[in-house]
Amino acid sequence: SAVISQKPSRDICQRGTSLTIQCQVDSQVTMMFWYRQQPGQSLTLIATANQGSEATYESGFVIDKFPISRPNLTFSTLTVSNMSPEDSSIYLCSVGRDSNQPQHFGDGTRLSIL
Amino acid sequence: QKEVEQDPGPLSVPEGAIVSLNCTYSNSAFQYFMWYRQYSRKGPELLMYTYSSGNKEDGRFTAQVDKSSKYISLFIRDSQPSDSATYLCAMSGETSGSRLTFGEGTQLTVNP
Repeated sequence: SAVISQKPSRDICQRGTSLTIQCQVDSQVTMMFWYRQQPGQSLTLIATANQGSEATYESGFVIDKFPISRPNLTFSTLTVSNMSPEDSSIYLCSVGRDSNQPQHFGDGTRLSIL
Repeated sequence: QKEVEQDPGPLSVPEGAIVSLNCTYSNSAFQYFMWYRQYSRKGPELLMYTYSSGNKEDGRFTAQVDKSSKYISLFIRDSQPSDSATYLCAMSGETSGSRLTFGEGTQLTVNP
């Protein structure tokens, strides 16, 4: 399966600031997703990152808060904007080689907001 | 009501035991069913992947899907301390690569 690298692996940020998380894959993939895993909870899909077009957001998530870029088939970024303590979470990138292949995950970015 | 229900545990078993992990779901559109294993401070790792109803075996792991009952299971035979992790069930609809809906995860500890 693809090797998925996320940066940073963890960060501690101040309230009101923004952080951009990178997801790099070692091979071209059609599907890229961003999930959030809040402490002690399961994964919730934030959005599908579409190459060359705007991301598709799930209910409860908006582009102004979580802008996403997908410039090519191996790279995507998620920005968490104007952070508050409620944004403290693990943010995970997942990829699928195509729409008929299961998703594989990176190790996530552990974000704490003070 | 959650679309996918999974007992969070924790579940503690002795080494060598057979472990049974289960999820129920309410959305009949789900066709693809996955089990992920997540170690502490790591991302979920795909363990098993099945389409529609039936069984699939891979080494010590067996996945079962009963779409009529909306119930899926993961069995681990001869459990090892290295199996200690959180196990997440996940499901998707139209294609296996489409959006996933996860269960809450079951925390498993296998004691030597």
